[in-house]
Amino acid sequence: AQKVTQAQTEISVVEKEDVTLDCVYETRDTTYYLFWYKQPPSGELVFLIRRNSFDEQNEISGRYSWNFQKSTSSFNFTITASQVVDSAVYFCALSDPRGETSGSRLTFGEGTQLTVNP
Amino acid sequence: KAGVTQTPRYLIKTRGQQVTLSCSPISGHRSVSWYQQTPGQGLQFLFEYFSETQRNKGNFPGRFSGRQFSNSRSEMNVSTLELGDSALYLCASSLRSGLRSYPSYNEQFFGPGTRLTVL
Repeated sequence: AQKVTQAQTEISVVEKEDVTLDCVYETRDTTYYLFWYKQPPSGELVFLIRRNSFDEQNEISGRYSWNFQKSTSSFNFTITASQVVDSAVYFCALSDPRGETSGSRLTFGEGTQLTVNP
Repeated sequence: KAGVTQTPRYLIKTRGQQVTLSCSPISGHRSVSWYQQTPGQGLQFLFEYFSETQRNKGNFPGRFSGRQFSNSRSEMNVSTLELGDSALYLCASSLRSGLRSYPSYNEQFFGPGTRLTVL
């Protein structure tokens, strides 16, 4: 069964600290996509990154970086030099197995509430 | 390019009533998915429509239904509302169904949601 676990319910840091959000997933498929979304208080889910299961190369985008490790089924997200505007709920998500559905169905983790204090 | 729009943004209903929520996808997008977000259950997939056909359905009772029109706009309907239906309902649109263009993937872009409160 598909499952995404974000063990950290809440994280509180002081501005400029680095913070890592953990994500562990379960899937029986070999072809899948992983995602991170940000949900600010306004409620809209903002897409941050997608990673293909065949591409384990880590990625850096500005202050954001992602570490994908198939061996441990983890897809962790690091924010460097956090800012108050980074305060939001962050969700990790996994696509449905190809072949069963169209693949649009996403399984989300429980979310991690990140609070960055000035 | 305008984003995904959802109407209404807020809604208050009483138990037993029915409600219809609307979602207009990004221009050119043909796939629309719906998700329910509650504090207890988190984000859960309701259904997906593509080319006016339901392609996927989540594990929700038959009181939850939807449809898609020829212009790709979608509506979801909840009949006989229960207190537990209080939630943020999010709609997402993408060019096509997710993995049909593998290895590329059509991102899902979410709307601001409709906050439904059932009293």
